[in-house]
Amino acid sequence: AQSVAQPEDQVNVAEGNPLTVKCTYSVSGNPYLFWYVQYPNRGLQFLLKYITGDNLVKGSYGFEAEFNKSQTSFHLKKPSALVSDSALYFCAVRDWGSSGSARQLTFGSGTQLTVLP
Amino acid sequence: KAGVTQTPRYLIKTRGQQVTLSCSPISGHRSVSWYQQTPGQGLQFLFEYFSETQRNKGNFPGRFSGRQFSNSRSEMNVSTLELGDSALYLCASRDDYGYTFGSGTRLTVV
Repeated sequence: AQSVAQPEDQVNVAEGNPLTVKCTYSVSGNPYLFWYVQYPNRGLQFLLKYITGDNLVKGSYGFEAEFNKSQTSFHLKKPSALVSDSALYFCAVRDWGSSGSARQLTFGSGTQLTVLP
Repeated sequence: KAGVTQTPRYLIKTRGQQVTLSCSPISGHRSVSWYQQTPGQGLQFLFEYFSETQRNKGNFPGRFSGRQFSNSRSEMNVSTLELGDSALYLCASRDDYGYTFGSGTRLTVV
């Protein structure tokens, strides 16, 4: 079975400082990894994904994530945080079922990011 | 192109009633997934449809059902509503590149 862990429920960072939101995963095959952001009373907005290729993935709004296969991690990063980055962030993984068809996305529990002015 | 459209945005129902939620995927996408989001359980997978066939199903009771039409639009139905069904229900449209989510339907059961 596939699973995702986001070990921090809450991350606080000062505006202008770098931010990291942590994610580790467990899958039986090669993972497809995603980061989404959710603002209050809204759906999930796609930030970035890792399918294959370079371990450093660049996404929307200046976010990037580093895929580390040996540590089974996919941490989200941004060099300089903005107050407007304050939101709920979800890491998600998808792998392939035994029949060769794609499984569903499995989400982490979410990390509330607060950027302090 | 238009995104994923979910209707209605908000819904209030009474215990014991049933409800139908609708999702129109991005044009050309044939896969639609449904997720339930609650503060206690987080985001949980309900089911996925592809070309009118249910491909995957999450661990939810039979009161939760869905279907997909030939134009890829999907509906999910919850019968005999319980207070615990109060949640944000999210629909996702998928292609080879990833998932796009709608804004969700906020269901409140009173």
